[in-house]
Amino acid sequence: AQSVTQPDIHITVSEGASLELRCNYSYGATPYLFWYVQSPGQGLQLLLKYFSGDTLVQGIKGFEAEFKRSQSSFNLRKPSVHWSDAAEYFCAVVLEEGDYKLSFGAGTTVTVRA
Amino acid sequence: EAGVVQSPRYKIIEKKQPVAFWCNPISGHNTLYWYLQNLGQGPELLIRYENEEAVDDSQLPKDRFSAERLKGVDSTLKIQPAELGDSAVYLCASSLSPSSYNEQFFGPGTRLTVL
Repeated sequence: AQSVTQPDIHITVSEGASLELRCNYSYGATPYLFWYVQSPGQGLQLLLKYFSGDTLVQGIKGFEAEFKRSQSSFNLRKPSVHWSDAAEYFCAVVLEEGDYKLSFGAGTTVTVRA
Repeated sequence: EAGVVQSPRYKIIEKKQPVAFWCNPISGHNTLYWYLQNLGQGPELLIRYENEEAVDDSQLPKDRFSAERLKGVDSTLKIQPAELGDSAVYLCASSLSPSSYNEQFFGPGTRLTVL
């Protein structure tokens, strides 16, 4: 069964426009949630993570994500996209506190047009 | 600080040939992971090492895949013999410890093409 779903395979956005990437998970309890970015030829880089507390999480590169328990979602947002944000974005979950097993979604490819 | 280093970056082989991938984790990181990333998919864990011990290899296809981390630092992942379906990106990652609180740092991966 799919643990993490990223409904959008590919998103195209204009430079300077806002971006939102969707992520849904399918567990009853609250998992630990992560967003990673993979630029061409690069390894995955952690953008942000949510374990508990404030449901709006700030990350690197101007990204933020909001955990919504009622919707089982952890969507990633950026107010104004730069051309360098073109990459593939992965949502991931860990089921248990202290566990190490990251379960990744299939990813969303972001294209930025001038 | 140097990141996770992997080599080669690209490898093309014919089916039934052996292939090996090498990973050097970040200095001081005791936990090392190998992931498989198929085209259009997220990474999937193959094996996790704590120092030199493979503590989770449940997802490693042991009939053709093997891995080692002899001195608890560098690691090698081997496929013998390779099949067409093994074409993918093989990612190595490391962390201070296996806790989810510790970030996993990923290398750039080795892209394998099996012809």
